Amino acid sequence: DGGITQSPKYLFRKEGQNVTLSCEQNLNHDAMYWYRQDPGQGLRLIYYSQIVNDFQKGDIAEGYSVSREKKESFPLTVTSAQKNPTAFYLCASRTTGTNTEAFFGQGTRLTVV
Amino acid sequence: GESVGLHLPTLSVQEGDNSIINCAYSNSASDYFIWYKQESGKGPQFIIDIRSNMDKRQGQRVTVLLNKTVKHLSLQIAATQPGDSAVYFCAEYTGGFKTIFGAGTRLFVKA
Repeated sequence: DGGITQSPKYLFRKEGQNVTLSCEQNLNHDAMYWYRQDPGQGLRLIYYSQIVNDFQKGDIAEGYSVSREKKESFPLTVTSAQKNPTAFYLCASRTTGTNTEAFFGQGTRLTVV
Repeated sequence: GESVGLHLPTLSVQEGDNSIINCAYSNSASDYFIWYKQESGKGPQFIIDIRSNMDKRQGQRVTVLLNKTVKHLSLQIAATQPGDSAVYFCAEYTGGFKTIFGAGTRLFVKA
């Protein structure tokens, strides 16, 4: 089945540690995205990538980093520079054609302990 | 900056009634809009979309209305069911690859 997979579903991090969230898709989509969602809030764009080896900062990129070495994969690293990392993180992908919807993963809930 | 917002953060309806969820957008150049449904602890799922050259689009039990004059979207759910309880987001495509999401409306369906 085609889809977009995020792992792990739950992640706990100690303060000062970097953690990497995985996002893999087999939909052959060129564009991939990372969003952050806080309780009772909407989606805020962290980073996005249109093609392999290229990515752009979104609205809240500080404290995060990404890579796009393969079309299928777009991992997100939450660094120690991110002061308030506890949130629900969503990865999405879509084709590069106009007027196409994004497909979302099931999310990773990150908690700093 | 440009944003997409929702008028009502929470909506409570009786099972069987119709639900109307509203959304305002600010980018008059946007030409594509989507409604997503997000259940608790899950990622958003596509419900219905509409292009700016349309005023109305119907799906199964859902209808989206677009009023470009006042930059307003609405999602109508007919005969609301308990399984419709979720957070609903409107999304605005500004061209290119960025999408702007509204804050969402939480729909509660009372049995």
